[in-house]
Amino acid sequence: QKEVEQDPGPLSVPEGAIVSLNCTYSNSAFQYFMWYRQYSRKGPELLMYTYSSGNKEDGRFTAQVDKSSKYISLFIRDSQPSDSATYLCAMSAGGSYIPTFGRGTSLIVHP
Amino acid sequence: SQTIHQWPATLVQPVGSPLSLECTVEGTSNPNLYWYRQAAGRGLQLLFYSVGIGQISSEVPQNLSASRPQDRQFILSSKKLLLSDSGFYLCASHPPGQKSEQYFGPGTRLTVT
Repeated sequence: QKEVEQDPGPLSVPEGAIVSLNCTYSNSAFQYFMWYRQYSRKGPELLMYTYSSGNKEDGRFTAQVDKSSKYISLFIRDSQPSDSATYLCAMSAGGSYIPTFGRGTSLIVHP
Repeated sequence: SQTIHQWPATLVQPVGSPLSLECTVEGTSNPNLYWYRQAAGRGLQLLFYSVGIGQISSEVPQNLSASRPQDRQFILSSKKLLLSDSGFYLCASHPPGQKSEQYFGPGTRLTVT
């Protein structure tokens, strides 16, 4: 079992839909959780960063962490074609600065 | 905020040729630096990381090497490229004082022919 599991997709949604992207993990020591957005042929861009359990909101994006279920989510409201990209989750344990990355989910938002 | 530069942006090299990819970081001092490779349809593979000048840790044994001659400069090299070295190479920085988040450069797309 991989430490971090992420469905590669692609996930195709119409413009304006609410998107839910998810990762599961097996290492209960993970405390720091990140979401990156990667456009084709570009480097990943840090979108959201959360510590421990709970929700964090930034504009149309909400990151949610459920440590009891070892499950994290990224919600995108009012999705736009410009949101079409690959979304990678990443997480690390306290004291470790090297995150473990999921493989990424490809999101396609069509007009 | 920091900026990460990588060059070249794209590179096509024949098998057996040498390689040198460069990464420089602006806007921070004493960062942890990382080299990743991302193959098509696959995740990020950590190749090397460095916590300071001259300090390199290798995660994957292969024909690649890394060096950090200056605080904000990280170089990925090979003496003889293999076809399997093709991929998208990403440099990442973790500034001091940050918990875990890494910031990535624009990447170098390497094709070995």
